[in-house]
Amino acid sequence: KQEVTQIPAALSVPEGENLVLNCSFTDSAIYNLQWFRQDPGKGLTSLLLIQSSQREQTSGRLNASLDKSSGRSTLYIAASQPGDSATYLCACNTGKLIFGQGTTLQVKP
Amino acid sequence: SQTIHQWPATLVQPVGSPLSLECTVEGTSNPNLYWYRQAAGRGLQLLFYSVGIGQISSEVPQNLSASRPQDRQFILSSKKLLLSDSGFYLCAWSTGTASNQPQHFGDGTRLSIL
Repeated sequence: KQEVTQIPAALSVPEGENLVLNCSFTDSAIYNLQWFRQDPGKGLTSLLLIQSSQREQTSGRLNASLDKSSGRSTLYIAASQPGDSATYLCACNTGKLIFGQGTTLQVKP
Repeated sequence: SQTIHQWPATLVQPVGSPLSLECTVEGTSNPNLYWYRQAAGRGLQLLFYSVGIGQISSEVPQNLSASRPQDRQFILSSKKLLLSDSGFYLCAWSTGTASNQPQHFGDGTRLSIL
């Protein structure tokens, strides 16, 4: 049974700092891994999707990596801004999405 | 471009009342459709998914049911709501061609049971 864990559960950083969010999973048999952003009371916005054959994906200030052998993915946010404050969720696609509990990020001005 | 709509955005219902949440997708044909629930303090959990009209798969035993009367319409229902049905309900879609396609989510419905 796939289990997805995100650490830390919450993170507070000053504006401008580079940061890394972690996601680990127990079963490497995945089609892909998707990172989402969720603002309070809102739905999920897809940020990046990494196929199982890929090592990383980049979009603007975001870079996501995938290491299936170690069961890990990271989301790197460069030069963080207050507008980046949200909950970040990772999900492994095993034919269905298995979500982690999320990391709630606060970027202070 | 494809869009997904959910309504209502918020709903307050008494215990024992019926429920109907609706989700529609525009701009694509034969999508895979999904219902998730996000309960307080818990992660997102897949409730139902559908690969075509009238085809519904349930992931967890529960008080809810789903139906897909049209290609791009997905409905979540209950005959009698329980307190434990409270939560944030999200609908999602993906291209129905392969399992490695991304899922795209609606804005969700906040359901509170009194």
